[in-house]
Amino acid sequence: DAGVIQSPRHEVTEMGQEVTLRCKPISGHNSLFWYRQTMMRGLELLIYFNNNVPIDDSGMPEDRFSAKMPNASFSTLKIQPSEPRDSAVYFCASSRGGGSGNQPQHFGDGTRLSIL
Amino acid sequence: SQQGEEDPQALSIQEGENATMNCSYKTSINNLQWYRQNSGRGLVHLILIRSNEREKHSGRLRVTLDTSKKSSSLLITASRAADTASYFCAMMGNFGNEKLTFGTGTRLTIIP
Repeated sequence: DAGVIQSPRHEVTEMGQEVTLRCKPISGHNSLFWYRQTMMRGLELLIYFNNNVPIDDSGMPEDRFSAKMPNASFSTLKIQPSEPRDSAVYFCASSRGGGSGNQPQHFGDGTRLSIL
Repeated sequence: SQQGEEDPQALSIQEGENATMNCSYKTSINNLQWYRQNSGRGLVHLILIRSNEREKHSGRLRVTLDTSKKSSSLLITASRAADTASYFCAMMGNFGNEKLTFGTGTRLTIIP
């Protein structure tokens, strides 16, 4: 089975530009998660969806960040305008979901974002 | 937030030795999970232990959970060079959602 696919793997752009990160979850998984990893703050959950509906967006840092899941096989995380402090590795993960919560999450290899 | 604290932050051992990593957390949990991250890659799920379980095994991995002390440990036996990675605990709270809160991680180096 194909794993979680993220694109691009690397992104370098100047501050003020719009950045769009993309994720394709594992087929059949109904929960999707966006994380950010930095040396200072570790791994933080930004937002997660269940059945394409945002469930918890309490980790989204500010209005410059937005996420969408238009269908079960695609999600985007957008930053507009980008700032140097947004530089981090952004991970997407998916799981089978379910009420018990006892499902592992499967991670993509991340997008390394550098804002100059 | 119930971010976990992991101990030690870094661990170097000889190949063949056992490695033990500890995780402490702050509030009640539904389950606790351990993940591995190789350099430049995403996290890989290793094992999940439910709050009503005390010990779980998977191959060379052994996880314990003590909810009274709010702590967990991961033991890797007979370590191999390929076990070199960062290891994270992750807590799922009793809040009715799937949010995971990750610990700070332990960087494990296996010396051949």
